[in-house]
Amino acid sequence: DTAVSQTPKYLVTQMGNDKSIKCEQNLGHDTMYWYKQDSKKFLKIMFSYNNKELIINETVPNRFSPKSPDKAHLNLHINSLELGDSAVYFCASSYGGTTSGSVFEQYFGPGTRLTVT
Amino acid sequence: AQSVTQPDIHITVSEGASLELRCNYSYGATPYLFWYVQSPGQGLQLLLKYFSGDTLVQGIKGFEAEFKRSQSSFNLRKPSVHWSDAAEYFCAVRGTYKYIFGTGTRLKVLA
Repeated sequence: DTAVSQTPKYLVTQMGNDKSIKCEQNLGHDTMYWYKQDSKKFLKIMFSYNNKELIINETVPNRFSPKSPDKAHLNLHINSLELGDSAVYFCASSYGGTTSGSVFEQYFGPGTRLTVT
Repeated sequence: AQSVTQPDIHITVSEGASLELRCNYSYGATPYLFWYVQSPGQGLQLLLKYFSGDTLVQGIKGFEAEFKRSQSSFNLRKPSVHWSDAAEYFCAVRGTYKYIFGTGTRLKVLA
């Protein structure tokens, strides 16, 4: 069984379009994350949700809007796509988003490679 | 500020040789540390983690890491590298409500 899944795996689109990436986890975790990995493999946190509540928003352009309908799902919608949005986007999940005393590892999805032309 | 530094961008070793990947962190309190591996076209997989206790931790695939508080380091080691270990390796520290990753070290293995 896949622990953290993302769809689609590949996404090719033109500048100015709007697209969404979906993420689901079946681990029972209460916290989910979106990361952007650029061409140099640098992994940057974008958003984090704990129990459907946004707890991290790392100065991401407001063209990016995350939505968490429930604890098991975290989707990412991107408006007016730009060339610089081309990257691999990873979803991850863990326990203990807001409880500093509880520390658990993250589990990552396989990634969505977004190419904007 | 909380940060993770991986000084080596690329490392090349011969198959069967030993490996050490360096990781230094900056964190005010007791750090919670992780090593992840990313194979080409894949997501990140946890190799091992350190929360407390024994400073030498064992992970999957024959990897181990040693936490040294005095040096603010958490270096990853493997006594004998296999060709399948070629990948990108990331060190991470649990910060305030989030995980902070290093820039990664790309490991190349020569046959």
